[in-house]
Amino acid sequence: NAGVMQNPRHLVRRRGQEARLRCSPMKGHSHVYWYRQLPEEGLKFMVYLQKENIIDESGMPKERFSAEFPKEGPSILRIQQVVRGDSAAYFCASSPRGLAGVGAYNEQFFGPGTRLTVL
Amino acid sequence: AQKVTQAQTEISVVEKEDVTLDCVYETRDTTYYLFWYKQPPSGELVFLIRRNSFDEQNEISGRYSWNFQKSTSSFNFTITASQVVDSAVYFCALSVEAAGNKLTFGGGTRVLVKP
Repeated sequence: NAGVMQNPRHLVRRRGQEARLRCSPMKGHSHVYWYRQLPEEGLKFMVYLQKENIIDESGMPKERFSAEFPKEGPSILRIQQVVRGDSAAYFCASSPRGLAGVGAYNEQFFGPGTRLTVL
Repeated sequence: AQKVTQAQTEISVVEKEDVTLDCVYETRDTTYYLFWYKQPPSGELVFLIRRNSFDEQNEISGRYSWNFQKSTSSFNFTITASQVVDSAVYFCALSVEAAGNKLTFGGGTRVLVKP
């Protein structure tokens, strides 16, 4: 069973361009979480999606950022008109379900991350 | 809201020394989970341990051990007889069911083990 896959692993964009980051969850997983790690900082939650639904986007910047997880295909994190401050590592994690019930837990499995550099 | 604090930003030790990483968390939820992850220089996240709020038993796994104390809201991590390969950034994290199990990470502690 392949792990969580993210591509590209490294992405270089010039200011003003668009960045598309892809996350293919583990087989059978229908929940995806995106996290951002700015240089020298910890990871920060961005968005939590279920197939075709955004469950929690409380960590997403209000402008330029969007995420989707279609019925078929990978989850996409899209950053429009990138700026230098968007340079970071973006990690996604997948889970079979978001909530498993009291006392149980649905593990999040992390991908290797996409390192975005904005020139 | 949840919060995780790792007060130590960087720790430097000589090989074979023990090193303890502190983690203090805040949450009002009674059902929550605590984690430690390792991020080596290659950048990926390596899962080390998960504990739930109902289980305060300490745990040992090889040279790693964890001390969970609800009374002080702490979940500390000790590496015994450190090795150069332990050099990495270590993150403590918290999730609560009520928030969809999204992870709240601490700022991380960089551990440098010198030969």
